[in-house]
Amino acid sequence: AQKITQTQPGMFVQEKEAVTLDCTYDTSDPSYGLFWYKQPSSGEMIFLIYQGSYDQQNATEGRYSLNFQKARKSANLVISASQLGDSAMYFCAMSGRETKDSGGSNYKLTFGKGTLLTVNP
Amino acid sequence: KAGVTQTPRYLIKTRGQQVTLSCSPISGHRSVSWYQQTPGQGLQFLFEYFSETQRNKGNFPGRFSGRQFSNSRSEMNVSTLELGDSALYLCASSLTGTGLGELFFGEGSRLTVL
Repeated sequence: AQKITQTQPGMFVQEKEAVTLDCTYDTSDPSYGLFWYKQPSSGEMIFLIYQGSYDQQNATEGRYSLNFQKARKSANLVISASQLGDSAMYFCAMSGRETKDSGGSNYKLTFGKGTLLTVNP
Repeated sequence: KAGVTQTPRYLIKTRGQQVTLSCSPISGHRSVSWYQQTPGQGLQFLFEYFSETQRNKGNFPGRFSGRQFSNSRSEMNVSTLELGDSALYLCASSLTGTGLGELFFGEGSRLTVL
């Protein structure tokens, strides 16, 4: 079964500093994808960054980078130069195949419990 | 390009009633998936529809059902509402389906069951 663990319920960071949000995962599927989403208080989930299991380089998107350590099964999100608008819930998610009891398999997206990031001025 | 649209945004129901939520995906997207988000359980996958067929299903009771129309719009229905069904229901659309690419989420429908 797929599992995503985010061990930090809440994190605080000073504006303009960098912050790392932790994410570890577990899956038996060699082919999978890792995502990070941001959810502000409005409720909408905003896609931030994606890393494929076979990607050789760490993904980067502007101020966001994903520190992918495959052997350790970790996919930490690094936000550089934090801004007040970065205050939100951050979810790590993993996609991969899961074998059904009835045979066959499904692609499934599993989310972690999230980390609430607060950026202080 | 219009994003994912969910209606209604907020609604209040009482136990035993039923509710229907609607989701219009991004134009051209054929996959629509639904998630329930609660403080205790986090984000849980409900089901996914692709080209009008249910392709994946999460571990929810039969009171939770859905369908997808030929224009890719999707509805989910919850019958015989329980207090525990109070949640934010999120819809996501994608070109190819769950796990195969980026999901685009709507702002959600916040359901309160009294």
